Amino acid sequence: QKEVEQDPGPLSVPEGAIVSLNCTYSNSAFQYFMWYRQYSRKGPELLMYTYSSGNKEDGRFTAQVDKSSKYISLFIRDSQPSDSATYLCASWGTGFQKLVFGTGTRLLVSP
Amino acid sequence: NAGVMQNPRHLVRRRGQEARLRCSPMKGHSHVYWYRQLPEEGLKFMVYLQKENIIDESGMPKERFSAEFPKEGPSILRIQQVVRGDSAAYFCASSPEKTEAFFGQGTRLTVV
Repeated sequence: QKEVEQDPGPLSVPEGAIVSLNCTYSNSAFQYFMWYRQYSRKGPELLMYTYSSGNKEDGRFTAQVDKSSKYISLFIRDSQPSDSATYLCASWGTGFQKLVFGTGTRLLVSP
Repeated sequence: NAGVMQNPRHLVRRRGQEARLRCSPMKGHSHVYWYRQLPEEGLKFMVYLQKENIIDESGMPKERFSAEFPKEGPSILRIQQVVRGDSAAYFCASSPEKTEAFFGQGTRLTVV
């Protein structure tokens, strides 16, 4: 079983839709979670960094962590064609020795 | 404050040559991580370094690959005697003190 799992998509939505991207993780010791956006042939760009359970909002983005179900979500409001990219969730492994990534979900927002 | 700088952005090597990939972390960041990404695949951890020390190299192939982060200068990922299977995008990330991690734009290695 992979430590962090994501549906690879693609997820296709119309412009203006609310997007929900999700990850599950298996290691209950994971506490620090990140969401990255990666455009084709570019490096991952950090969007959100959260600790433990709860919500964190930044502009059109909301990150949500539910430790009881080991579930991580990223919501994008008023999605734009420029949001079309691959979204990667990640968690710090034990002792911050490495970031453990999901395989990424490809999002396509059509005008 | 410049971001994580990687160079070269593109590198072409013939089979059997050596590839050297450089990563300059963000100012004030003492933790460096190297990842490899194959087309349509996720990021795979290779190695974690602090200044002058390799902390975790559990993701690095035992042969031909090495990494360093000297007291002065950038971190270097070195691949000796490259083979076609080494063709991939290699990303470096830096972190200040185990909080957020920021990635560079990567080096795309092509072995011909």
